[in-house]
Amino acid sequence: DQQVKQNSPSLSVQEGRISILNCDYTNSMFDYFLWYKKYPAEGPTFLISISSIKDKNEDGRFTVFLNKSAKHLSLHIVPSQPGDSAVYFCAASAGAGGTSYGKLTFGQGTILTVHP
Amino acid sequence: DGGITQSPKYLFRKEGQNVTLSCEQNLNHDAMYWYRQDPGQGLRLIYYSQIVNDFQKGDIAEGYSVSREKKESFPLTVTSAQKNPTAFYLCASSIVRGSAFFGQGTRLTVV
Repeated sequence: DQQVKQNSPSLSVQEGRISILNCDYTNSMFDYFLWYKKYPAEGPTFLISISSIKDKNEDGRFTVFLNKSAKHLSLHIVPSQPGDSAVYFCAASAGAGGTSYGKLTFGQGTILTVHP
Repeated sequence: DGGITQSPKYLFRKEGQNVTLSCEQNLNHDAMYWYRQDPGQGLRLIYYSQIVNDFQKGDIAEGYSVSREKKESFPLTVTSAQKNPTAFYLCASSIVRGSAFFGQGTRLTVV
């Protein structure tokens, strides 16, 4: 049962353009969402997060949008740079009151390639 | 410097052997996690712990065991019951409900 899904295995974008990475979730108890970036043979590094009380969070070139009614979030990278090429994972965490409180569930990842 | 350290970076195991992967953090985080990554797949949760002397099974706990005797340490044992242990293992820590910091990973290969 894949509770966090990234349906696009890969995305290719030209340098300077916008990259949009998508993530869907099924568990209505999720109320905190995160994006991570990962290079091969390394651990993921945290990029940006959003709480369910907000619908948008910005940090420099990275913006995360949350649509709770659609159970969908997206990461926008503007402008995209070749150094952004990596695997991007979204993750979700459930709030208090459930058996999964504090547990981080990850999607399958999307490989982003930014061409010069 | 604060951080999370996994060792060893590469580990080879003979079939039928138990092996233990180390994970240490000095970030004073309460929560620690173990994930497994297989080629082309996401991170699947093996075990997590939110406090010393307590831990919960994740989605793929069968064939693995953990302990959390100290806040700083969360070792993972891959037992002989794990039928397909070859994978990249990642340890992480966080404040509970915060962003997790990951170690550099251990690549385990069964020979």
